[in-house]
Amino acid sequence: DAKTTQPPSMDCAEGRAANLPCNHSTISGNEYVYWYRQIHSQGPQYIIHGLKNNETNEMASLIITEDRKSSTLILPHATLRDTAVYYCIVGGSQGNLIFGKGTKLSVKP
Amino acid sequence: GAVVSQHPSWVICKSGTSVKIECRSLDFQATTMFWYRQFPKQSLMLMATSNEGSKATYEQGVEKDKFLINHASLTLSTLTVTSAHPEDSSFYICSARRETGTDTQYFGPGTRLTVL
Repeated sequence: DAKTTQPPSMDCAEGRAANLPCNHSTISGNEYVYWYRQIHSQGPQYIIHGLKNNETNEMASLIITEDRKSSTLILPHATLRDTAVYYCIVGGSQGNLIFGKGTKLSVKP
Repeated sequence: GAVVSQHPSWVICKSGTSVKIECRSLDFQATTMFWYRQFPKQSLMLMATSNEGSKATYEQGVEKDKFLINHASLTLSTLTVTSAHPEDSSFYICSARRETGTDTQYFGPGTRLTVL
């Protein structure tokens, strides 16, 4: 079973920041938090990952709480092309990723 | 960097035939690749872990004799669906793990299999 909990859906206005929450209260000390997204009928796209510190790249920012039990993915200026299902995944010990149901983000004009 | 390709992108076959799907890591080597299956409106389900030079590890409930996996090189893994039936119709997605110490996996674009 997936080790994360995400809201099933969220809406965001185009141009605004999209903040996607994720709970992972049973995360182990050596496990990373990964975020992927899947646009309809495509393979998942890697977004970002982190262990303890907040991370930022050209796509998004990842904020991890100090106790590591939850995190938030931030898309700073959402566009219509960001409409997708976003998956928050805690890295398995053997490197396999267990996907939950994710959050369906709808960016609206 | 970190590009993974799959071939074919879609395939239609008759019931009882076998279908081979290729997964390639184009710009990095991957000793470990993964195969997932996704049914409509559902999430990805891990089928098996493919290890270069050794046997694949299958998830519970996945028939290893039906879904043959070969990982012959550090850039290629293949999934063969043997004696395919309509219930095997699905979206098959592979991923390759880039070994940078953080288990980051990069996914292929997927293969849509339709069995008539």
